[in-house]
Amino acid sequence: SQQGEEDPQALSIQEGENATMNCSYKTSINNLQWYRQNSGRGLVHLILIRSNEREKHSGRLRVTLDTSKKSSSLLITASRAADTASYFCATDGNTPLVFGKGTRLSVIA
Amino acid sequence: DAGVIQSPRHEVTEMGQEVTLRCKPISGHDYLFWYRQTMMRGLELLIYFNNNVPIDDSGMPEDRFSAKMPNASFSTLKIQPSEPRDSAVYFCASSELDNEQFFGPGTRLTVL
Repeated sequence: SQQGEEDPQALSIQEGENATMNCSYKTSINNLQWYRQNSGRGLVHLILIRSNEREKHSGRLRVTLDTSKKSSSLLITASRAADTASYFCATDGNTPLVFGKGTRLSVIA
Repeated sequence: DAGVIQSPRHEVTEMGQEVTLRCKPISGHDYLFWYRQTMMRGLELLIYFNNNVPIDDSGMPEDRFSAKMPNASFSTLKIQPSEPRDSAVYFCASSELDNEQFFGPGTRLTVL
């Protein structure tokens, strides 16, 4: 299985702090994606990083990928209450995306 | 584009009844995915289609589950007969090739 596993399962921080979530996977991938899910909603794509990339930025998001360690991290800088959600990593190789169980992020105002 | 459309948004039924969930993908997307999400098992891929053809249904839990995609703009997921353990949120998603997936709002199914 190429399932990504997020760590930690839950994270609670104060508004303005940075939030870091990690993802580990098991086999070679073509790319890794991060998604966000607000309560009661579908998942929303945040960012995609390809296997030949090491770092990618999008607004307050920074994603890193270390293929030698089969791991990725998602950093949200200057967090806001609206960032409260579950965050999932998803990996693919020869199969479609396989999602982890997510990190539940709570940003306290 | 209105995004991925799913109906109904909520479904409450009794054990043994047939349930049909519907999905309209984003126009032009080649792939359509059905997922099930529960607290215990997380987000599970049930089946996916490419150009209306089922490619992998290994995630379909039992023969009680079936999915069809009669054309590029419509797909159904059917459970017959339904059981309480089928209670979950079912998501449909679509994508172009192997790019980001666009998720619908989901159908919350409760089987009593």
